[in-house]
Amino acid sequence: EADIYQTPRYLVIGTGKKITLECSQTMGHDKMYWYQQDPGMELHLIHYSYGVNSTEKGDLSSESTVSRIRTEHFPLTLESARPSHTSQYLCASSRDTSREQYFGPGTRLTVT
Amino acid sequence: GQQLNQSPQSMFIQEGEDVSMNCTSSSIFNTWLWYKQDPGEGPVLLIALYKAGELTSNGRLTAQFGITRKDSFLNISASIPSDVGIYFCAGPGEYGNKLVFGAGTILRVKS
Repeated sequence: EADIYQTPRYLVIGTGKKITLECSQTMGHDKMYWYQQDPGMELHLIHYSYGVNSTEKGDLSSESTVSRIRTEHFPLTLESARPSHTSQYLCASSRDTSREQYFGPGTRLTVT
Repeated sequence: GQQLNQSPQSMFIQEGEDVSMNCTSSSIFNTWLWYKQDPGEGPVLLIALYKAGELTSNGRLTAQFGITRKDSFLNISASIPSDVGIYFCAGPGEYGNKLVFGAGTILRVKS
């Protein structure tokens, strides 16, 4: 069982607010990822990190930003939330030498 | 970029039936991963395949790495209600560092 945690699980917030979605893993994985997923749809990679102080944008353009100051922590921030940001956000991690990614439970974000 | 096509898009089956689904790629893969996602949760890794022709089981689930290296199959035997969910296949992206996911197969089980 993967030890990767996301908080909050659910968030309803008004337009224009700044939010940070938290993701932590206790497996010592170097690689971490953020995906965006609409209900019942495919996953889209929005950010990834191969280690501390390393962050890259994913395949889907996103207005969010990420940071990787500690190996175990990979928060995602939206400076000014909009209704178009309503979605599920999934965090994942993997060992440096493996393609097997382990996912957290997700944060369902609703922007009103 | 690379694309994965999953088939079928959805299935509605009777409890106890066997299920088959597949995933095809536009290019050769050296890894195939199968995930299951329950409603409101993150995907859970079911099976990982690393060699062409490989057949791997996990309980009632069996997955195969196609010999052409462009496809993979997932079978579920004797389905039960808790098999309900979305099944995703995934493989390494163009540069091998990221995963590409299929659009998923939605499985519904009628008890």
